[in-house]
Amino acid sequence: NAGVTQTPKFQVLKTGQSMTLQCAQDMNHNSMYWYRQDPGMGLRLIYYSASEGTTDKGEVPNGYNVSRLNKREFSLRLESAAPSQTSVYFCASSPGLVPRNTGELFFGEGSRLTVL
Amino acid sequence: AQKVTQAQTEISVVEKEDVTLDCVYETRDTTYYLFWYKQPPSGELVFLIRRNSFDEQNEISGRYSWNFQKSTSSFNFTITASQVVDSAVYFCALSVYSGAGSYQLTFGKGTKLSVIP
Repeated sequence: NAGVTQTPKFQVLKTGQSMTLQCAQDMNHNSMYWYRQDPGMGLRLIYYSASEGTTDKGEVPNGYNVSRLNKREFSLRLESAAPSQTSVYFCASSPGLVPRNTGELFFGEGSRLTVL
Repeated sequence: AQKVTQAQTEISVVEKEDVTLDCVYETRDTTYYLFWYKQPPSGELVFLIRRNSFDEQNEISGRYSWNFQKSTSSFNFTITASQVVDSAVYFCALSVYSGAGSYQLTFGKGTKLSVIP
């Protein structure tokens, strides 16, 4: 059972470079999320997709774009990376609007991004 | 807006001591869910417990117990007879329905627990 899979797990970029973090889930979940984790800040929501075809900004969306490619996949793109985007990124999914959904998120293993 | 406060940034205890991690939350929603996640040094997020706002019964799972009190908006986590393997960052989180089939999960900043042998 793969659950939520993120790639790559590690990436080093130079300032101004672009890259895309990929996320895929095999649980047939409707909703998907991207969080970033910084020391002392907990996890903060960047963008989320309530269902296929929709995306919405979270708490810290600036500098990022997302694409909900299909029900399984939700990518996060940094168009022009900045050192402030050095972080650990977590993708997550949840069943969405289904009976007895309790809001629990299922997380990937994280992607560590360093921008020099 | 939702808010989760974990006032303890770091805690150190000696093995076999009991330790309580505090969590205070804020929300105007009457239906919500509270979570605790563990993040060991390996980095993954491990789900520990989920409670809904209508169930204030305390829960015990082995050495772990949780005390949910709506009157004080708190959801505290106690580890009894701590072990070195309990060393991790622990996150408290609050989930509320945000419409269009999506839940917003708001995390506290985490408490780093170090259990010293």
